[in-house]
Amino acid sequence: KAGVTQTPRYLIKTRGQQVTLSCSPISGHRSVSWYQQTPGQGLQFLFEYFSETQRNKGNFPGRFSGRQFSNSRSEMNVSTLELGDSALYLCASSTSGDLTDTQYFGPGTRLTVL
Amino acid sequence: AQSVAQPEDQVNVAEGNPLTVKCTYSVSGNPYLFWYVQYPNRGLQFLLKYITGDNLVKGSYGFEAEFNKSQTSFHLKKPSALVSDSALYFCAVRDKAKAGTALIFGKGTTLSVSS
Repeated sequence: KAGVTQTPRYLIKTRGQQVTLSCSPISGHRSVSWYQQTPGQGLQFLFEYFSETQRNKGNFPGRFSGRQFSNSRSEMNVSTLELGDSALYLCASSTSGDLTDTQYFGPGTRLTVL
Repeated sequence: AQSVAQPEDQVNVAEGNPLTVKCTYSVSGNPYLFWYVQYPNRGLQFLLKYITGDNLVKGSYGFEAEFNKSQTSFHLKKPSALVSDSALYFCAVRDKAKAGTALIFGKGTTLSVSS
């Protein structure tokens, strides 16, 4: 099976712009989660989608949003970009999304905000 | 609050020697624990997990981890380190307050294996 894919791999934006990142989960996986990785804060959970519904949300401002489509593909959007949004954004998928499931991660999208 | 700690920022070991990367956790109830590895400019790769059962969990690439409930630890081990094991290692615990797959990660430990 193909792994989790994320596009684009690299992005450069300027402050105030918005950005959309895309994630395609492993075939058959219905749960998709997003994480932000920065040197200062480490890995932090953004949100999780299951069957097109946001099931959980981390402690991030409303500028961060996401959605999931019927084919389980997911997008996350960041509006009004700030310098501090520069990070590696990781998507992870799992089969049924229950507590014992393993999450498999994509390669990430490196976002740089200038 | 649930948390996981990796007390060492860096672990240095010579090739062929055993390695240990430490992880302790704080979770109410039974923990669901995971180890991931990250190579430069790559995503996280799953190594192993503890859900229940045998305290010694075997995973990918010859790694194993020992769950110790009394010490609230889940240390990652490998009998003989390889230079190619050099990477960033993350311990994580499932955030059971969220009833989904959200993980709480430690800060990470950089493993450096010298030849």
